[in-house]
Amino acid sequence: SAVISQKPSRDICQRGTSLTIQCQVDSQVTMMFWYRQQPGQSLTLIATANQGSEATYESGFVIDKFPISRPNLTFSTLTVSNMSPEDSSIYLCSVEGARGNEKLFFGSGTQLSVL
Amino acid sequence: GENVGLHLPTLSVQEGDNSIINCAYSNSASDYFIWYKQESGKGPQFIIDIRSNMDKRQGQRVTVLLNKTVKHLSLQIAATQPGDSAVYFCAENLPPAGNKLTFGGGTRVLVKP
Repeated sequence: SAVISQKPSRDICQRGTSLTIQCQVDSQVTMMFWYRQQPGQSLTLIATANQGSEATYESGFVIDKFPISRPNLTFSTLTVSNMSPEDSSIYLCSVEGARGNEKLFFGSGTQLSVL
Repeated sequence: GENVGLHLPTLSVQEGDNSIINCAYSNSASDYFIWYKQESGKGPQFIIDIRSNMDKRQGQRVTVLLNKTVKHLSLQIAATQPGDSAVYFCAENLPPAGNKLTFGGGTRVLVKP
């Protein structure tokens, strides 16, 4: 299984500011996924990030609000822009398993609180 | 994180008993299912998976059952231990979505000593 490191692990931010979350994987992966987990709820896919192309966003998520970078096969960032209290969530990076099987491995997440 | 499981259904289990966690999935065309365990402050951890051409799969202390007729998935944990206390999520993969998993609502398991 891949080892996924996310930074920061938690942050408290002011309304209107932006936060960039980093995800580093210990092996090269084609696809990386960003999920949001709102308080007490399940995981919702934000977008899929492939190296060398624009991220693909799910319904309800837009690039202006959640810009994503994928500069290489081991790293990705998710920015939460112009934050409001409704953005308070856990943000999780995940990667596919070996040989592209459907199993996803997750980082430990970034706990974001917006005041 | 600390907020995981606040509003989720809760299953209280006596230590040593068996646990059964249920999940209803949404799409009859889904062909792959996973159970994840999420402890406080951690990301989801893979437990066991099953493909739609199977109806049962066993792992170490865990068994997943798939009933495609009623679109139901269950996770059985044998001899539940305090370390099993966590939130459990089922997830389904709908082809040709590739690796985009759709997660169920989750169940919080509390193991009583």
